[in-house]
Amino acid sequence: AQSVTQLDSQVPVFEEAPVELRCNYSSSVSVYLFWYVQYPNQGLQLLLKYLSGSTLVKGINGFEAEFNKSQTSFHLRKPSVHISDTAEYFCAVTGSNDYKLSFGAGTTVTVRA
Amino acid sequence: DVKVTQSSRYLVKRTGEKVFLECVQDMDHENMFWYRQDPGLGLRLIYFSYDVKMKEKGDIPEGYSVSREKKERFSLILESASTNQTSMYLCASSSTGTPANYGYTFGSGTRLTVV
Repeated sequence: AQSVTQLDSQVPVFEEAPVELRCNYSSSVSVYLFWYVQYPNQGLQLLLKYLSGSTLVKGINGFEAEFNKSQTSFHLRKPSVHISDTAEYFCAVTGSNDYKLSFGAGTTVTVRA
Repeated sequence: DVKVTQSSRYLVKRTGEKVFLECVQDMDHENMFWYRQDPGLGLRLIYFSYDVKMKEKGDIPEGYSVSREKKERFSLILESASTNQTSMYLCASSSTGTPANYGYTFGSGTRLTVV
């Protein structure tokens, strides 16, 4: 079964600074990878996904992620964060022909002025 | 846009009560899921359903059951609520086949407190 590990539980960052959230996955077969964001008191919203093709994936709100098969990683980046990016971020994985997503423990990003 | 609606945002129940959490989606999705979210543990799958009247156990089904009598509605049932079931419950849906092509659409969550 696939699983993901989010390497940072909390990431404090200053406004307009870059941020990187790290995610490693564990699988020996083809995987599909996702990043979701959860704003306070809301459900999860899809940021971006990697299915195949280009290893650099662009998502909403200026986020992007890079799929690295040799390092089994799918790190999320944003070059310049805003206060409104304060949220919890989840990495998720599924395999082909699988109905289910497996989620990481989450990374809380706090953006300070 | 797909909407997934959970009937309650906040719920307080007593130990031993039977609790129903309701989830409705409006885009004819085949697959529906129930997760619970706890700090430091992420989202853990309780049950899922890929068709009407079909259900499969997820990673943590103990103490829960589900019902899917209609395609748009997926109910989570706590047969006898306990304090360790205090949590945020998230419902999600996805389209035919696998979620890989579409991702999940989540509801806003129900924060359940069992006292």
